[in-house]
Amino acid sequence: DSGVTQTPKHLITATGQRVTLRCSPRSGDLSVYWYQQSLDQGLQFLIQYYNGEERAKGNILERFSAQQFPDLHSELNLSSLELGDSALYFCASSTSGKDEQFFGPGTRLTVL
Amino acid sequence: DAKTTQPTSMDCAEGRAANLPCNHSTISGNEYVYWYRQIHSQGPQYIIHGLKNNETNEMASLIITEDRKSSTLILPHATLRDTAVYYCIVSPTRAGGTSYGKLTFGQGTILTVHP
Repeated sequence: DSGVTQTPKHLITATGQRVTLRCSPRSGDLSVYWYQQSLDQGLQFLIQYYNGEERAKGNILERFSAQQFPDLHSELNLSSLELGDSALYFCASSTSGKDEQFFGPGTRLTVL
Repeated sequence: DAKTTQPTSMDCAEGRAANLPCNHSTISGNEYVYWYRQIHSQGPQYIIHGLKNNETNEMASLIITEDRKSSTLILPHATLRDTAVYYCIVSPTRAGGTSYGKLTFGQGTILTVHP
């Protein structure tokens, strides 16, 4: 158990819908990262937050957005969902934003 | 970030040492070598990291060549639970500078430990 929690574990929705994935970092960690893992693209970095502020951005689609709240939990919002958005979404956290990352169990999103 | 090259797959007998190589010939001076593993759709798990010295922790040892162009992760006594995809990642500095800690995952090495 990494100490990072993600909810929900599974999510099934339809194309065009909007969903929110939630992540709670390890106690004391200030930085949160989001990654997407699909069969054809592998594990891809989406975005990083540090103490509430965006720090780095990867190949995150404009339909996706994220934020980190004052209590340091983070949410990833996915809108106008397409079939290709079906994937595992992982959240990770780290203490300083530059050190080793600890990953949550992931949310499996299925878009039908 | 420097790219890494790893074998697609490797096998290891249970109880034996598993030696997983990684080539990172374009690594720059401020980049660390990280190893993570992912066991069947679980979240990736941090294993170890290093800059230029060899490192050891309770999970594994990391041997980095003197020129830093390659490294080897060693699992000293592999068990069936070590079957996973192992990722070698090069990432910018851990302290100072303006780089932040995003990880760029490649395809990794599928390690299969068999009885």
